[in-house]
Amino acid sequence: GAVVSQHPSRVICKSGTSVKIECRSLDFQATTMFWYRQFPKKSLMLMATSNEGSKATYEQGVEKDKFLINHASLTLSTLTVTSAHPEDSSFYICSAGGTSGRSYNEQFFGPGTRLTVL
Amino acid sequence: AQKITQTQPGMFVQEKEAVTLDCTYDTSDQSYGLFWYKQPSSGEMIFLIYQGSYDEQNATEGRYSLNFQKARKSANLVISASQLGDSAMYFCAMREPQGFQKLVFGTGTRLLVSP
Repeated sequence: GAVVSQHPSRVICKSGTSVKIECRSLDFQATTMFWYRQFPKKSLMLMATSNEGSKATYEQGVEKDKFLINHASLTLSTLTVTSAHPEDSSFYICSAGGTSGRSYNEQFFGPGTRLTVL
Repeated sequence: AQKITQTQPGMFVQEKEAVTLDCTYDTSDQSYGLFWYKQPSSGEMIFLIYQGSYDEQNATEGRYSLNFQKARKSANLVISASQLGDSAMYFCAMREPQGFQKLVFGTGTRLLVSP
């Protein structure tokens, strides 16, 4: 149990286009989801926190108009990178946390999405 | 603000030996959670072990144990009987106790297990 999927796993796009990444909790309700960005050989940097049915909370320095987050249901959150540029190329990882049982003491991570902007 | 420090950018260990990965943290909260994750080259984050600040005993999960020293604010990960498959990045993280309970990660330690 406690599986989080992410789609796509890898995407290559042209500069100026928008890319949507999906994060799904497959077998539990994810009241909160987190989006991270990771540069090569670096740690995970939290971009934003989204709660089901409400607006996302962005970390300082993260452009909310560029990285649109939608958490419309308890099992799905999406991150849209708008007007992508080469500097947006990175590894994006989502995680989901529940509120009870095993999921309370753990965040379950998706497998990540590697975005390359040409 | 919470902060996690991992001072070892890289560690080497021989197969079957034990290795300790260091993690210190800084927080003014009394209630908090500490995590260790493993990230192999594939990129997925694999949960290893969790320690709550009020847990009196050190957490253990198979070959992983957490050496929790609350007064020193350290939460070192001990891997016993290292295996080649343990070669990966290891991240220590702290969960903030309130609000969204987001995780703050350390910079990571790359572990290389040699035959």
